[in-house]
Amino acid sequence: GAGVSQSPSNKVTEKGKDVELRCDPISGHTALYWYRQSLGQGLEFLIYFQGNSAPDKSGLPSDRFSAERTGGSVSTLTIQRTQQEDSAVYLCASSSRLAGAPGGNEQFFGPGTRLTVL
Amino acid sequence: AQTVTQSQPEMSVQEAETVTLSCTYDTSENNYYLFWYKQPPSRQMILVIRQEAYKQQNATENRFSVNFQKAAKSFSLKISDSQLGDTAMYFCAFMKLNYGGSQGNLIFGKGTKLSVKP
Repeated sequence: GAGVSQSPSNKVTEKGKDVELRCDPISGHTALYWYRQSLGQGLEFLIYFQGNSAPDKSGLPSDRFSAERTGGSVSTLTIQRTQQEDSAVYLCASSSRLAGAPGGNEQFFGPGTRLTVL
Repeated sequence: AQTVTQSQPEMSVQEAETVTLSCTYDTSENNYYLFWYKQPPSRQMILVIRQEAYKQQNATENRFSVNFQKAAKSFSLKISDSQLGDTAMYFCAFMKLNYGGSQGNLIFGKGTKLSVKP
């Protein structure tokens, strides 16, 4: 498939455990975004990778959250010492670098990972 | 900071009728994009329509059109000839352009749950 993929689709964990969520962007897309979708907060931006530039981490809610993007492709979002308020759907999106490029202003979303912290 | 407001948490429409979803936003930016995304129960976010702020002409995509009022910071979505498959959450989103034309992250409204009734 040519779309954004995320794994796992569902993750249930116990409070205090660490979790890793994976995102495979569309091949060739240099921009990658993580968002969180929860009932109380709606859709929130978490972090943004653009090529080789330093990531924009301004949306990360706490230092328990971190993300990496290896080789300019796959990204992993890590949540340490999970809390019940971390329960949400975590969405990944990718796009071309420039808004003026074909499809460049569209972010293509993956199906999300539903995280449940017990 | 930019904010996006969707004042209609839920709406319903009869099949084949027309419905308009409201969205207002607040920004001091001059260069930006506006989007409507659709999220059906499958959780997959799908782009419905986009509007560049510098374009005065309202965007249209088949049965979907927008009424973009830049001065009023309003961006409503009109769905004509509503179909059962249009049932979904609809999110209005704002994206500013960074220096050099690269795009920023999306800022979403809280969403409007649209139900199309047979």
